[in-house]
Amino acid sequence: GAGVSQTPSNKVTEKGKYVELRCDPISGHTALYWYRQSLGQGPEFLIYFQGTGAADDSGLPNDRFFAVRPEGSVSTLKIQRTERGDSAVYLCASSSKFGELFFGEGSRLTVL
Amino acid sequence: KNEVEQSPQNLTAQEGEFITINCSYSVGISALHWLQQHPGGGIVSLFMLSSGKKKHGRLIATINIQEKHSSLHITASHPRDSAVYICAAVPTITGGGNKLTFGTGTQLKVEL
Repeated sequence: GAGVSQTPSNKVTEKGKYVELRCDPISGHTALYWYRQSLGQGPEFLIYFQGTGAADDSGLPNDRFFAVRPEGSVSTLKIQRTERGDSAVYLCASSSKFGELFFGEGSRLTVL
Repeated sequence: KNEVEQSPQNLTAQEGEFITINCSYSVGISALHWLQQHPGGGIVSLFMLSSGKKKHGRLIATINIQEKHSSLHITASHPRDSAVYICAAVPTITGGGNKLTFGTGTQLKVEL
């Protein structure tokens, strides 16, 4: 597609459930980023991929969060045993070789 | 204290006014992004700066590396400019990539 695509756009789940959020970056972008934005806050960094490997995962809050990008394109953010505090908008961005960032519309996660 | 500070937090302007949003940062950076976020919408990258000044339409962004300060200016403001404007820095310590440190955003409302 022309832009960064994220699915689902909205996800409501119950506490303790497993959730997967998908990001399809712009074709050819090797860098992919996941950010999390809580209500009224600025985004915070979660993880950064360069190709297939996680170049920096220092923003993942704990071991319930995991992300993969097995073929260097689509990435999946996985959250185990969801908690109410995980409710946020999860943003994905990809970057051209020139550093310009392109964001997806985000996946709004609500944990009841 | 946040590494990236923005001011003002909220700004209401009349259509046609010249608007300035300021961003100060306390870390060494390789680049700085200005982002726009509409309510319920995704984030759009407006500018990426590492020095000097950039202009796109009615938007102008400047950066002073020595003073660790950047400004976003909007000339002839219009209600459609109403959005949250976010300043985000790429700290040099990250060694590359776009692991952004975000400001808290400036909520701009332009009234008729």
